[in-house]
Amino acid sequence: EDQVTQSPEALRLQEGESSSLNCSYTVSGLRGLFWYRQDPGKGPEFLFTLYSAGEEKEKERLKATLTKKESFLHITAPKPEDSATYLCAVYTGNQFYFGTGTSLTVIP
Amino acid sequence: SQTIHQWPATLVQPVGSPLSLECTVEGTSNPNLYWYRQAAGRGLQLLFYSVGIGQISSEVPQNLSASRPQDRQFILSSKKLLLSDSGFYLCAWSHGTFYEQYFGPGTRLTVT
Repeated sequence: EDQVTQSPEALRLQEGESSSLNCSYTVSGLRGLFWYRQDPGKGPEFLFTLYSAGEEKEKERLKATLTKKESFLHITAPKPEDSATYLCAVYTGNQFYFGTGTSLTVIP
Repeated sequence: SQTIHQWPATLVQPVGSPLSLECTVEGTSNPNLYWYRQAAGRGLQLLFYSVGIGQISSEVPQNLSASRPQDRQFILSSKKLLLSDSGFYLCAWSHGTFYEQYFGPGTRLTVT
């Protein structure tokens, strides 16, 4: 069964403490993997699209990478304003799935 | 630039009452449109998507329906709400089907 799993469910970091969020998938025929950021009570905000293994995208303190089985969202020297839920999603051409997200809290 | 609107922002409705949520997109033409529901503390569940006027695909059987009467208008409806319909409803649009979606501010629905 196709599945998208994000880990950890929640992550608390000190300001400046770098870490990574994981999105693993078991779908076949990946067309695209997407990362979104969601603040409480708001709609998700698009961050990145990755299309093939080996691809990397960067934006400010965030860097997304993709392998054949998983994607990582690396957060370098996070700040309190990076606190949010980070969602990944995958599209196979036939199906589209969102993961349940990682809730990130950055403590000043 | 493109803008997506949803209304109302919050809604409290009794069980058995009808529902109509509206979403409109400005600044683009022929967008792909989506309705999602997000239960408290959970991920997004795709409810419906539309690639064009009058074209609606339903992802899960449920008490809801969707319509797209105009190119940039997407409506989510129910004839009789259930308690389980409570949640955060999000509309989104994209150029390519399922690629790089841009979300509206959402509607918080509470069914009492």
